[in-house]
Amino acid sequence: DAGVTQSPTHLIKTRGQQVTLRCSPISGHKSVSWYQQVLGQGPQFIFQYYEKEERGRGNFPDRFSARQFPNYSSELNVNALLLGDSALYLCASTPGPQGANTGELFFGEGSRLTVL
Amino acid sequence: QQQVKQSPQSLIVQKGGISIINCAYENTAFDYFPWYQQFPGKGPALLIAIRPDVSEKKEGRFTISFNKSAKQFSLHIMDSQPGDSATYFCALSYSGAGSYQLTFGKGTKLSVIP
Repeated sequence: DAGVTQSPTHLIKTRGQQVTLRCSPISGHKSVSWYQQVLGQGPQFIFQYYEKEERGRGNFPDRFSARQFPNYSSELNVNALLLGDSALYLCASTPGPQGANTGELFFGEGSRLTVL
Repeated sequence: QQQVKQSPQSLIVQKGGISIINCAYENTAFDYFPWYQQFPGKGPALLIAIRPDVSEKKEGRFTISFNKSAKQFSLHIMDSQPGDSATYFCALSYSGAGSYQLTFGKGTKLSVIP
């Protein structure tokens, strides 16, 4: 079975540009979350979506936005890119709005964004 | 935002030895205390998790010890193997107001040498 898939895997942007990252959850999973992982740090929560509605938002500026589609896939958009936005962006899915029985999030391999 | 402090930042262990990673947190309203393992170029994957009403959980060579009064939990890897070389993250799992999120520690890079 396919896990969480993300695209693109790598991309390079310049300051001020905009980027869109895409995520397809595990089949049957209805909740998608986004995390930012700066090099050498743990992932940091950005958003959670369930049934196309935003369920949670982390401490990120309004330049970050996301949405979830009827097929439960999701996009993360970042506007007006800054050098500090360079990171690995991870998408994770769960069957419902809460964690799986063990509290598990199922992560994809991420999209590595470099801002020059 | 909930805080979790993880130590050490890096750890070198000989094959067959015991790897110990510690985490301390500041608050108590959590559902699970999971540990995630991340290999280079991969996303984190759940290794083992413990509920706050349990003091210890063992799965194979991996054991979580949880001290609720001290607000600390630790991961022990017995008989460490070179294939265990990865970055390990402790996390706090929180469900509230209809959302679910993890707060991660900064990670411990484990190197197991033959």
